[in-house]
Amino acid sequence: DVKVTQSSRYLVKRTGEKVFLECVQDMDHENMFWYRQDPGLGLRLIYFSYDVKMKEKGDIPEGYSVSREKKERFSLILESASTNQTSMYLCASSLPAQGEALHFGNGTRLTVT
Amino acid sequence: LAKTTQPISMDSYEGQEVNITCSHNNIATNDYITWYQQFPSQGPRFIIQGYKTKVTNEVASLFIPADRKSSTLSLPRVSLSDTAVYYCLVGDIETGGFKTIFGAGTRLFVKA
Repeated sequence: DVKVTQSSRYLVKRTGEKVFLECVQDMDHENMFWYRQDPGLGLRLIYFSYDVKMKEKGDIPEGYSVSREKKERFSLILESASTNQTSMYLCASSLPAQGEALHFGNGTRLTVT
Repeated sequence: LAKTTQPISMDSYEGQEVNITCSHNNIATNDYITWYQQFPSQGPRFIIQGYKTKVTNEVASLFIPADRKSSTLSLPRVSLSDTAVYYCLVGDIETGGFKTIFGAGTRLFVKA
């Protein structure tokens, strides 16, 4: 079974702090994704990566950056956290073939005060 | 990218069959239709995927008409543990990646 592990379940940060959210997958998947989930808005794609050091912007990349130095690890970075970035963040991975299922971690609930 | 529309919520009783319909009028030729299930405090979990006609697995069936502008997830004989949010989404391939759009989902509440 694919395992996608997010480093923190809950995180509380202050406005203006630099925040790192880490995600590791153990199935050698090429694709990795970061979503945020907010009530009533569903999941929105922030960034995705289809290979090491490759990244593509999703629907809401503003205020975020990503890093993929190793195939198994995909980091989401909030350069200067703001209160409107309080959310549930979900990482996912998948194989590159068309239609491959996304495998999600259990999420990091980030609160920015 | 095709956008999806599905009911916000549905109620059912244990043992009933539940059908959740999703509209995706602008689906493209290369798009697959995928359904995910999400329980509170967990990430979404893949349920079923299809391209056209009907697909069935041990958990659900997926019905897709010929025009592919909608799809229906069918859950046979639901139980309390099927209470969850169900997402319909249409997958798109861009530059070698797999980009998906999740809608707001359908909150299914199964009652005893």
